[in-house]
Amino acid sequence: IAGITQAPTSQILAAGRRMTLRCTQDMRHNAMYWYRQDLGLGLRLIHYSNTAGTTGKGEVPDGYSVSRANTDDFPLTLASAVPSQTSVYFCASSDIFTPGTGSGYTFGSGTRLTVV
Amino acid sequence: GENVEQHPSTLSVQEGDSAVIKCTYSDSASNYFPWYKQELGKRPQLIIDIRSNVGEKKDQRIAVTLNKTAKHFSLHITETQPEDSAVYFCAASRGSTLGRLYFGRGTQLTVWP
Repeated sequence: IAGITQAPTSQILAAGRRMTLRCTQDMRHNAMYWYRQDLGLGLRLIHYSNTAGTTGKGEVPDGYSVSRANTDDFPLTLASAVPSQTSVYFCASSDIFTPGTGSGYTFGSGTRLTVV
Repeated sequence: GENVEQHPSTLSVQEGDSAVIKCTYSDSASNYFPWYKQELGKRPQLIIDIRSNVGEKKDQRIAVTLNKTAKHFSLHITETQPEDSAVYFCAASRGSTLGRLYFGRGTQLTVWP
């Protein structure tokens, strides 16, 4: 079934530890995104990638890094986790080079991360 | 960059009534406006979208209207049902093709039976 897979589903992490959230899509979408969702703040963009080999910073990039070695995978790394990074993380993808597709974003199921 | 504001933050309606959620955007170059529904513990899912060359779009009980001059767009849900209860997000994007979306902060809609 085509879509986006995120792993892990949830994680409790000790502060200071390194963590990589995984995201894989099989729709051959060009663009991929990482958002964090916090109550009352909506969806805030962390990093994005318009195509394999390129990445860009979103609204809240500090403390996070990404890579886009191929079309399908877009991992998000927390180098040294802090409690303020406790959140629900959503990966998303879209096809930005096909005019009129009208599909918007497809979201993964999310990763609930708790940093203690 | 784009700034999307969404109101109200919470909305309670009786089953069968209509619900309206409004969003404004700041970038006049934005031309794609999707709406997402997020049920508790689930991922956001696209429910309807509109492009700037259209003023209104309907899909059964939901509709979206766009006023480019005033830079605002709205989601209308008629004959609400308890299963419509969810958080709704509006978003805006610029460019002739799909790209980065700027989201509003969401509206928690509760439909009482």
